[in-house]
Amino acid sequence: AQSVTQLGSHVSVSEGALVLLRCNYSSSVPPYLFWYVQYPNQGLQLLLKYTTGATLVKGINGFEAEFKKSETSFHLTKPSAHMSDAAEYFCAVSGESGYSTLTFGKGTMLLVSP
Amino acid sequence: NAGVTQTPKFQVLKTGQSMTLQCAQDMNHNSMYWYRQDPGMGLRLIYYSASEGTTDKGEVPNGYNVSRLNKREFSLRLESAAPSQTSVYFCASSGHRSGGEQYFGPGTRLTVT
Repeated sequence: AQSVTQLGSHVSVSEGALVLLRCNYSSSVPPYLFWYVQYPNQGLQLLLKYTTGATLVKGINGFEAEFKKSETSFHLTKPSAHMSDAAEYFCAVSGESGYSTLTFGKGTMLLVSP
Repeated sequence: NAGVTQTPKFQVLKTGQSMTLQCAQDMNHNSMYWYRQDPGMGLRLIYYSASEGTTDKGEVPNGYNVSRLNKREFSLRLESAAPSQTSVYFCASSGHRSGGEQYFGPGTRLTVT
């Protein structure tokens, strides 16, 4: 079975500051890892994903994440926050095959102040 | 190319009423999923269909039924709605070539009174 823990249900940053959203996972097999973003009253949109290969993954809107197997982590970062980044972010891990079900974390709401 | 579509967008039911949530995808994906989203709980899998003709229970299947009507369509039915089923419901799909990525619909906001 897989599980995902996102540290902090809310994270507040100032515009221009570093964004760091934490995600730790548990998986008995090599995981596929994902970050999704949800803007108010919308569905989920993929930010980035790790499957195999390079452990530093770049996504849309300037976000990136690094897969650290030894720490079972997949933290999401962005060097400089923008007001438009305010949203809820979800980390997810896939099942054994990589094509099966996703297990989501509970989400982190990112608040960006001017 | 509409991606994943869901109907209706909003629905209010009385306890005990039934309804069906519709989902369709036009990406020729084999797998489809139904999730519910509740505050502070993230997304929880209700049912999924790995391929046309198969369905399996997820984490929270009680009170729901599903039908994979064809490759494009996957419906979720509430036979006797309860207030605990008040939630936002998302449909998603994925294909063999999507590397595990799931594509989500816009959601259905359901209130059961």
